[in-house]
Amino acid sequence: AQSVTQLDSHVSVSEGTPVLLRCNYSSSYSPSLFWYVQHPNKGLQLLLKYTSAATLVKGINGFEAEFKKSETSFHLTKPSAHMSDAAEYFCVVSESGFGNEKLTFGTGTRLTIIP
Amino acid sequence: NAGVTQTPKFQVLKTGQSMTLQCAQDMNHEYMSWYRQDPGMGLRLIHYSVGAGITDQGEVPNGYNVSRSTTEDFPLRLLSAAPSQTSVYFCASSYSAGGGSYEQYFGPGTRLTVT
Repeated sequence: AQSVTQLDSHVSVSEGTPVLLRCNYSSSYSPSLFWYVQHPNKGLQLLLKYTSAATLVKGINGFEAEFKKSETSFHLTKPSAHMSDAAEYFCVVSESGFGNEKLTFGTGTRLTIIP
Repeated sequence: NAGVTQTPKFQVLKTGQSMTLQCAQDMNHEYMSWYRQDPGMGLRLIHYSVGAGITDQGEVPNGYNVSRSTTEDFPLRLLSAAPSQTSVYFCASSYSAGGGSYEQYFGPGTRLTVT
């Protein structure tokens, strides 16, 4: 069975400082991993995904994440936070290669940007 | 493309009433899913479909029915609404993005309150 743990429910950073949102996963097979962002009262938008290619994945809006199999982690980072980054972020795992669409979501990390 | 559309955006029901949440996509995606989002719990899968005429249960299927008569539409039926079904409901569709990964596209959500 697959699972994902987002280690922080709330992160606050100052504008212009780095962002780190932490995610650990558990999967019996080779996983696909995603980060989604949800702005207030909006649907979810894909930020980036890992699918067993390069371990450092670049996404939209300057975000990137590194897949570390030995640590079962997929942390999301951004060098310099912007006010528009304030949102909720979800780490998601999918056991790929089995033709199913079941994603398992983390409980989310709310990112607050301090002006 | 309109992407994934959901109606209604908001709905208030009384306990025991039934209703259908509509979901449609115009991207010719084979896979469609319904999730509910509750505070502190991330998104949980209710039902999903891998193609027209094929549906299966997710993590929290009780109290909900689905059908998939066309590729485009995937309605979610609440049979007898209960206060525990107060939530935000998201429909998503997906295709194989290669490598066994399944990037999902989300609708804007339906906010349901059951009194």
